[in-house]
Amino acid sequence: GAGVSQSPSNKVTEKGKDVELRCDPISGHTALYWYRQSLGQGLEFLIYFQGNSAPDKSGLPSDRFSAERTGGSVSTLTIQRTQQEDSAVYLCASSPGSHYNEQFFGPGTRLTVL
Amino acid sequence: GENVEQHPSTLSVQEGDSAVIKCTYSDSASNYFPWYKQELGKRPQLIIDIRSNVGEKKDQRIAVTLNKTAKHFSLHITETQPEDSAVYFCAAILTGGGNKLTFGTGTQLKVEL
Repeated sequence: GAGVSQSPSNKVTEKGKDVELRCDPISGHTALYWYRQSLGQGLEFLIYFQGNSAPDKSGLPSDRFSAERTGGSVSTLTIQRTQQEDSAVYLCASSPGSHYNEQFFGPGTRLTVL
Repeated sequence: GENVEQHPSTLSVQEGDSAVIKCTYSDSASNYFPWYKQELGKRPQLIIDIRSNVGEKKDQRIAVTLNKTAKHFSLHITETQPEDSAVYFCAAILTGGGNKLTFGTGTQLKVEL
């Protein structure tokens, strides 16, 4: 079946502009995660959605970052007033549920802020 | 919160040799430890995982060991092949933290011919 998909694959924007990144999880997966991977770095947790529960936003680096998940499926990560330090690959992952389940990653969106 | 340290950051081995990557974690309540492999330009993929009620797990040339007392776990790759070249990330899940993974900083493994 189809894996996790993300769009766009690449996004170049100017400092100060807002951007929206989209994630389509695997159908039926109740858990969805956003991570950020800077060049040559590890994966930094941003936010986690599980079913209808309130999302875990503990990893969001500032109030410029927000995410929503509509209808328990597609998620959008929004970055307002982008800064150069926001440049990174943003990875989305989904899993069948909470606890000990493999997370399936999407291909990522490479964001470049000029 | 959880903190995961990973060593080494880079590792070069000759084809056929073994490779070992080590991680330590800070929170003794962590109970699930997956390893992900990320090839250049590709997405991370799970290669093996271990839960805290198990000390060792093997899958063909890959094995993971867990020492809960010392709070460290290791990835062992035997008979390395060029296609093993990639970045490997360890991770830990904190009990009560849902399925939120805390990742190590990654190890760039290069298998040389």
